[in-house]
Amino acid sequence: LAKTTQPISMDSYEGQEVNITCSHNNIATNDYITWYQQFPSQGPRFIIQGYKTKVTNEVASLFIPADRKSSTLSLPRVSLSDTAVYYCLVGDMGYDQTGANNLFFGTGTRLTVIP
Amino acid sequence: DVKVTQSSRYLVKRTGEKVFLECVQDMDHENMFWYRQDPGLGLRLIYFSYDVKMKEKGDIPEGYSVSREKKERFSLILESASTNQTSMYLCASQFTGLIAGYTFGSGTRLTVV
Repeated sequence: LAKTTQPISMDSYEGQEVNITCSHNNIATNDYITWYQQFPSQGPRFIIQGYKTKVTNEVASLFIPADRKSSTLSLPRVSLSDTAVYYCLVGDMGYDQTGANNLFFGTGTRLTVIP
Repeated sequence: DVKVTQSSRYLVKRTGEKVFLECVQDMDHENMFWYRQDPGLGLRLIYFSYDVKMKEKGDIPEGYSVSREKKERFSLILESASTNQTSMYLCASQFTGLIAGYTFGSGTRLTVV
């Protein structure tokens, strides 16, 4: 079971770039790294996923070093609306019917964006 | 737009009552999940189902049961509600084989008094 470790909280000013790092020392060969965002009173929503190197979409970038034992979610120029809890997950969410047991949400990182 | 709908946003129940939390998805997903979320503890998996009438225990199944009679519906049952089951309950669904994550509902905040 590949568990993850993230900082409990982070503060950032509007317009800054925010980097949230996640440690996953026991990541397996078939595991992907996925990040979710959760606003108050809502369920988490998928923001980005990667296996190695770098992935970028319209919301964020995900940096994964060669050993894959950690990953960094990068949010460019944050705004107040980016205040949320960010979860890092590691697991094989493919064909394995028991794949859900490999998913560990943890407590996430509470990002607060300050005006 | 794909959807996971939870029947209630807020529920207040008495200790000892039988409670049903309903979840419906319109995406034809095989996998469905129930989590609870508590301050400082994050999301914890209660039960999941990978097919109709199939269920698997998650990390904290004690005090809960589930039912999946139709593919689109996954119910969480509290046989005899207790105050320590006061929590936010989140339902999610996932298409097997799609390496793209879950879709969550908006949650049901249950208070047991």
